Amino acid sequence: KAGVTQTPRYLIKTRGQQVTLSCSPISGHRSVSWYQQTPGQGLQFLFEYFSETQRNKGNFPGRFSGRQFSNSRSEMNVSTLELGDSALYLCASSLQGQGEQFFGPGTRLTVL
Amino acid sequence: DQQVKQNSPSLSVQEGRISILNCDYTNSMFDYFLWYKKYPAEGPTFLISISSIKDKNEDGRFTVFLNKSAKHLSLHIVPSQPGDSAVYFCAASFAGGTNAGKSTFGDGTTLTVKP
Repeated sequence: KAGVTQTPRYLIKTRGQQVTLSCSPISGHRSVSWYQQTPGQGLQFLFEYFSETQRNKGNFPGRFSGRQFSNSRSEMNVSTLELGDSALYLCASSLQGQGEQFFGPGTRLTVL
Repeated sequence: DQQVKQNSPSLSVQEGRISILNCDYTNSMFDYFLWYKKYPAEGPTFLISISSIKDKNEDGRFTVFLNKSAKHLSLHIVPSQPGDSAVYFCAASFAGGTNAGKSTFGDGTTLTVKP
């Protein structure tokens, strides 16, 4: 089975712009979660989607949003980018949302 | 409120010796505890997990111990190998309900195994 894929792998944007990141989960996995990792920090939970519905959301401002498509692929969007949004954004998939998650390689976002 | 804490940012051990990574949590309602390993430029990969109803789970060189009364878990790696050098994340999750799909991670411990 192919693993979780994320595109693009690297992205450079300027303050005020918006960005869309994409995640393709493992085939058959219906749950997709997004995390933000900043230097020296653990993974901060952004949100989780299951069967096209957002089931859970972390403590991030409304500039961070996401969606999931019928094929379980997911996108996350960040609008009005700030310097502090520079981070590694990780996507993880699982069958139903509990237990072990399978992570993609991440998208490294740099905001200048 | 950081519900999962890894108080040691780094750990250095000699090859062949035991590595012990520690993790503390505050929410007694967590159903699963997991350890992930992360190499630079890669996403975390699952290592081992333990259900909240157990106190030990073993998989090869890796053993996780859970002390529910102390809200503490630890990962033992025996014997340690240079290839084990990575960042280790402790995570906790729920079986379902309103918190399904959400894992709470610690800040990670960087393990260095010296040859």
